[in-house]
Amino acid sequence: KQEVTQIPAALSVPEGENLVLNCSFTDSAIYNLQWFRQDPGKGLTSLLLIQSSQREQTSGRLNASLDKSSGRSTLYIAASQPGDSATYLCAVTGEDSGYALNFGKGTSLLVTP
Amino acid sequence: KAGVTQTPRYLIKTRGQQVTLSCSPISGHRSVSWYQQTPGQGLQFLFEYFSETQRNKGNFPGRFSGRQFSNSRSEMNVSTLELGDSALYLCASSLGGPRGYEQYFGPGTRLTVT
Repeated sequence: KQEVTQIPAALSVPEGENLVLNCSFTDSAIYNLQWFRQDPGKGLTSLLLIQSSQREQTSGRLNASLDKSSGRSTLYIAASQPGDSATYLCAVTGEDSGYALNFGKGTSLLVTP
Repeated sequence: KAGVTQTPRYLIKTRGQQVTLSCSPISGHRSVSWYQQTPGQGLQFLFEYFSETQRNKGNFPGRFSGRQFSNSRSEMNVSTLELGDSALYLCASSLGGPRGYEQYFGPGTRLTVT
């Protein structure tokens, strides 16, 4: 059964720092991996989608990488801002989950001014 | 293009009652998935519909059911509510499903069962 883990569970950094969020998964037979952010009490906002054949995706200050063989993905945030404060979730779809996203528990990020 | 909409946004129900939640996907999207989010369990998959057919179902009791209409709008129903059903219910839409397509989530329906 696929398990998705995100470490650390919480992270606090000063504004301007570059940071890396980690996501690992136990079954490398995935179709894709998607990163989301969630603001308190709100829905999820899609950040980046990486197909299993891709190594990375970039959007603005965000860069996500995928290493399927080692079961890892990282989300790199450059020049962090207070507005980046949110919970970041990664999710995979794979052979065992069919048509479902399998989520990690998320990393709660706080960027302080 | 309008995003995914969910109604109602907030709901308070009493144990034993039933509830129906609605989700309108992004125009042109044929896949709608439902998830339950709780502090303890995180995000858990309920079911996914594509062109009015349920393609996948998570490990939830039969009290949880759903359907999708010909215009791709979807509803989920929870019967005989329990206190543990209190959660944020999120729906997501995509062109063809999570397997190959980006998922777009709605704002959620916050259900409180008293």
